[in-house]
Amino acid sequence: GQSLEQPSEVTAVEGAIVQINCTYQTSGFYGLSWYQQHDGGAPTFLSYNALDGLEETGRFSSFLSRSDSYGYLLLQELQMKDSASYFCAVRKDTNAGKSTFGDGTTLTVKP
Amino acid sequence: SAVISQKPSRDICQRGTSLTIQCQVDSQVTMMFWYRQQPGQSLTLIATANQGSEATYESGFVIDKFPISRPNLTFSTLTVSNMSPEDSSIYLCSAAPDSMNTEAFFGQGTRLTVV
Repeated sequence: GQSLEQPSEVTAVEGAIVQINCTYQTSGFYGLSWYQQHDGGAPTFLSYNALDGLEETGRFSSFLSRSDSYGYLLLQELQMKDSASYFCAVRKDTNAGKSTFGDGTTLTVKP
Repeated sequence: SAVISQKPSRDICQRGTSLTIQCQVDSQVTMMFWYRQQPGQSLTLIATANQGSEATYESGFVIDKFPISRPNLTFSTLTVSNMSPEDSSIYLCSAAPDSMNTEAFFGQGTRLTVV
Protein backbone atom coordinates (compact mmCIF):
# COMPACT_ATOMS: atom_id res chain seq x y z
CA GLY A 1 0.00 0.00 0.00
CA GLN A 2 0.89 3.64 -0.06
CA SER A 3 0.49 6.37 2.56
CA LEU A 4 1.58 9.98 2.72
CA GLU A 5 1.71 12.26 5.74
CA GLN A 6 1.68 16.03 5.68
CA PRO A 7 0.56 18.62 8.23
CA SER A 8 -3.12 19.46 8.08
CA GLU A 9 -2.74 23.20 8.55
CA VAL A 10 -0.05 25.85 8.37
CA THR A 11 -0.38 29.58 9.02
CA ALA A 12 2.12 32.25 8.03
CA VAL A 13 2.26 35.98 7.33
CA GLU A 14 2.77 37.76 4.05
CA GLY A 15 6.38 37.90 2.96
CA ALA A 16 7.39 34.98 5.14
CA ILE A 17 8.77 31.58 4.13
CA VAL A 18 6.90 28.37 4.87
CA GLN A 19 7.90 24.74 4.48
CA ILE A 20 5.37 21.93 4.07
CA ASN A 21 6.78 18.50 4.78
CA CYS A 22 5.68 15.21 3.33
CA THR A 23 6.72 11.71 4.32
CA TYR A 24 5.62 8.69 2.37
CA GLN A 25 5.54 4.91 2.43
CA THR A 26 5.07 3.31 -0.95
CA SER A 27 5.36 0.01 -2.72
CA GLY A 28 6.45 1.79 -5.89
CA PHE A 29 7.88 5.24 -6.51
CA TYR A 30 8.43 7.25 -9.65
CA GLY A 31 8.64 10.65 -8.03
CA LEU A 32 7.00 13.17 -5.70
CA SER A 33 4.74 15.91 -7.01
CA TRP A 34 3.18 18.95 -5.40
CA TYR A 35 -0.17 20.44 -6.34
CA GLN A 36 -1.99 23.58 -5.25
CA GLN A 37 -5.75 23.74 -4.98
CA HIS A 38 -7.81 26.81 -4.20
CA ASP A 39 -11.31 26.40 -2.80
CA GLY A 40 -13.62 25.18 -5.53
CA GLY A 41 -10.80 24.97 -8.05
CA ALA A 42 -8.88 22.28 -9.86
CA PRO A 43 -5.55 21.04 -8.52
CA THR A 44 -2.70 22.72 -10.38
CA PHE A 45 0.79 21.37 -10.68
CA LEU A 46 3.60 23.12 -8.80
CA SER A 47 6.67 20.91 -8.82
CA TYR A 48 8.05 17.41 -9.31
CA ASN A 49 11.10 15.59 -7.99
CA ALA A 50 12.19 12.26 -9.38
CA LEU A 51 15.72 12.42 -7.97
CA ASP A 52 17.18 13.62 -4.70
CA GLY A 53 17.75 17.30 -4.36
CA LEU A 54 16.14 20.66 -4.75
CA GLU A 55 14.01 21.87 -7.66
CA GLU A 56 13.37 25.60 -7.86
CA THR A 57 10.54 27.24 -9.78
CA GLY A 58 10.20 30.91 -8.99
CA ARG A 59 8.99 31.40 -5.42
CA PHE A 60 8.36 27.69 -4.99
CA SER A 61 11.00 25.02 -4.40
CA SER A 62 10.64 21.33 -3.73
CA PHE A 63 13.07 18.91 -2.16
CA LEU A 64 13.28 15.14 -2.17
CA SER A 65 15.28 12.60 -0.21
CA ARG A 66 14.47 9.12 -1.50
CA SER A 67 16.52 7.41 1.19
CA ASP A 68 14.44 9.15 3.87
CA SER A 69 11.14 8.86 1.98
CA TYR A 70 10.77 12.57 2.62
CA GLY A 71 10.14 15.70 0.69
CA TYR A 72 9.08 19.26 1.26
CA LEU A 73 7.62 22.23 -0.54
CA LEU A 74 9.13 25.60 0.24
CA LEU A 75 7.14 28.73 -0.47
CA GLN A 76 8.98 32.02 -0.28
CA GLU A 77 7.80 35.62 -0.23
CA LEU A 78 4.33 34.50 0.69
CA GLN A 79 1.40 36.35 -0.83
CA MET A 80 -2.24 36.36 0.18
CA LYS A 81 -3.08 34.47 -3.02
CA ASP A 82 -0.95 31.56 -1.80
CA SER A 83 -3.68 30.71 0.70
CA ALA A 84 -4.81 27.32 -0.59
CA SER A 85 -4.47 23.58 -0.01
CA TYR A 86 -1.21 21.94 -0.98
CA PHE A 87 -1.00 18.25 -1.76
CA CYS A 88 2.02 16.05 -2.05
CA ALA A 89 1.51 13.10 -4.36
CA VAL A 90 3.53 9.99 -5.07
CA ARG A 91 3.60 9.19 -8.74
CA LYS A 92 2.67 5.55 -9.24
CA ASP A 93 3.43 5.19 -12.93
CA THR A 94 5.46 6.55 -15.79
CA ASN A 95 2.37 8.65 -16.55
CA ALA A 96 2.14 11.74 -14.34
CA GLY A 97 -1.63 11.41 -14.12
CA LYS A 98 -1.50 8.36 -11.89
CA SER A 99 -0.69 9.36 -8.32
CA THR A 100 -1.51 8.74 -4.69
CA PHE A 101 -2.23 12.00 -2.91
CA GLY A 102 -1.64 13.07 0.67
CA ASP A 103 -4.48 14.53 2.70
CA GLY A 104 -3.40 18.06 1.93
CA THR A 105 -2.11 21.01 3.95
CA THR A 106 -4.26 24.09 4.26
CA LEU A 107 -2.05 27.16 4.14
CA THR A 108 -3.44 30.40 5.48
CA VAL A 109 -1.48 33.54 4.73
CA LYS A 110 -2.27 36.48 7.00
CA PRO A 111 -1.50 40.12 6.36
CA SER B 1 0.05 21.76 -21.59
CA ALA B 2 -3.51 20.48 -21.72
CA VAL B 3 -6.87 22.05 -21.06
CA ILE B 4 -9.47 19.71 -19.60
CA SER B 5 -13.17 20.48 -19.68
CA GLN B 6 -15.66 18.63 -17.53
CA LYS B 7 -19.40 18.70 -17.48
CA PRO B 8 -21.63 19.02 -15.68
CA SER B 9 -19.87 21.24 -13.17
CA ARG B 10 -22.38 20.25 -10.53
CA ASP B 11 -25.56 18.26 -10.13
CA ILE B 12 -28.06 17.21 -7.52
CA CYS B 13 -29.38 13.71 -8.11
CA GLN B 14 -31.91 11.38 -6.57
CA ARG B 15 -30.65 8.21 -4.94
CA GLY B 16 -30.90 5.18 -7.15
CA THR B 17 -30.29 7.13 -10.35
CA SER B 18 -27.12 7.39 -12.43
CA LEU B 19 -25.08 10.34 -13.62
CA THR B 20 -22.60 10.43 -16.49
CA ILE B 21 -19.75 12.91 -16.29
CA GLN B 22 -17.95 13.95 -19.46
CA CYS B 23 -14.31 14.91 -19.79
CA GLN B 24 -12.80 16.51 -22.89
CA VAL B 25 -9.08 17.17 -23.37
CA ASP B 26 -7.87 19.69 -25.94
CA SER B 27 -5.09 17.35 -27.13
CA GLN B 28 -4.63 13.63 -27.58
CA VAL B 29 -3.49 11.81 -24.47
CA THR B 30 -2.69 8.15 -23.97
CA MET B 31 -4.28 7.78 -20.57
CA MET B 32 -6.96 9.66 -18.69
CA PHE B 33 -7.72 9.28 -15.00
CA TRP B 34 -10.72 9.71 -12.78
CA TYR B 35 -10.39 10.84 -9.17
CA ARG B 36 -12.83 11.41 -6.34
CA GLN B 37 -12.41 14.11 -3.74
CA GLN B 38 -14.55 14.72 -0.70
CA PRO B 39 -14.65 18.47 0.01
CA GLY B 40 -11.60 19.44 2.03
CA GLN B 41 -10.04 16.01 1.68
CA SER B 42 -7.57 14.12 -0.44
CA LEU B 43 -7.93 12.95 -4.03
CA THR B 44 -8.49 9.23 -4.48
CA LEU B 45 -7.81 7.55 -7.80
CA ILE B 46 -10.84 5.66 -9.08
CA ALA B 47 -9.55 4.27 -12.37
CA THR B 48 -7.40 4.71 -15.43
CA ALA B 49 -9.32 5.14 -18.67
CA ASN B 50 -7.49 3.40 -21.49
CA GLN B 51 -8.36 4.03 -25.12
CA GLY B 52 -9.35 0.85 -26.89
CA SER B 53 -9.46 -1.34 -23.80
CA GLU B 54 -11.32 -1.68 -20.53
CA ALA B 55 -10.59 0.76 -17.74
CA THR B 56 -8.27 -0.29 -14.93
CA TYR B 57 -9.86 0.15 -11.51
CA GLU B 58 -8.15 0.81 -8.19
CA SER B 59 -8.86 -1.22 -5.10
CA GLY B 60 -12.31 -0.47 -3.75
CA PHE B 61 -13.79 0.65 -7.06
CA VAL B 62 -15.64 -1.61 -9.48
CA ILE B 63 -16.84 -1.33 -13.03
CA ASP B 64 -20.50 -1.97 -12.20
CA LYS B 65 -20.57 1.07 -9.94
CA PHE B 66 -18.29 3.33 -12.00
CA PRO B 67 -18.44 2.33 -15.67
CA ILE B 68 -16.00 4.29 -17.80
CA SER B 69 -15.87 4.86 -21.52
CA ARG B 70 -12.91 6.04 -23.58
CA PRO B 71 -13.99 6.18 -27.22
CA ASN B 72 -11.00 8.21 -28.44
CA LEU B 73 -7.79 9.90 -27.30
CA THR B 74 -9.45 13.15 -26.20
CA PHE B 75 -12.64 12.08 -24.45
CA SER B 76 -13.82 9.95 -21.55
CA THR B 77 -16.94 9.52 -19.45
CA LEU B 78 -17.44 8.30 -15.91
CA THR B 79 -20.85 7.09 -14.81
CA VAL B 80 -21.79 6.95 -11.15
CA SER B 81 -24.44 4.23 -11.02
CA ASN B 82 -27.26 3.53 -8.59
CA MET B 83 -26.23 6.50 -6.52
CA SER B 84 -26.49 6.78 -2.76
CA PRO B 85 -25.73 9.77 -0.51
CA GLU B 86 -22.26 8.26 0.11
CA ASP B 87 -21.44 9.00 -3.54
CA SER B 88 -21.75 12.72 -2.89
CA SER B 89 -18.33 14.04 -3.77
CA ILE B 90 -16.30 15.95 -6.33
CA TYR B 91 -15.26 13.88 -9.33
CA LEU B 92 -12.17 15.02 -11.20
CA CYS B 93 -10.80 14.07 -14.57
CA SER B 94 -7.03 14.18 -15.10
CA ALA B 95 -4.54 13.65 -17.90
CA ALA B 96 -0.89 14.08 -18.68
CA PRO B 97 0.05 14.81 -22.30
CA ASP B 98 2.62 12.04 -22.54
CA SER B 99 4.65 9.68 -20.41
CA MET B 100 7.61 12.05 -20.33
CA ASN B 101 5.53 14.87 -18.96
CA THR B 102 6.05 15.68 -15.31
CA GLU B 103 2.80 17.56 -14.95
CA ALA B 104 -0.74 16.28 -14.73
CA PHE B 105 -3.69 18.50 -15.57
CA PHE B 106 -7.08 18.40 -13.93
CA GLY B 107 -10.55 19.40 -14.94
CA GLN B 108 -12.53 21.75 -12.74
CA GLY B 109 -14.43 18.82 -11.28
CA THR B 110 -18.05 17.80 -11.01
CA ARG B 111 -19.64 18.44 -7.64
CA LEU B 112 -22.23 15.72 -7.11
CA THR B 113 -24.83 15.78 -4.37
CA VAL B 114 -27.07 12.74 -3.94
CA VAL B 115 -30.30 13.27 -2.03
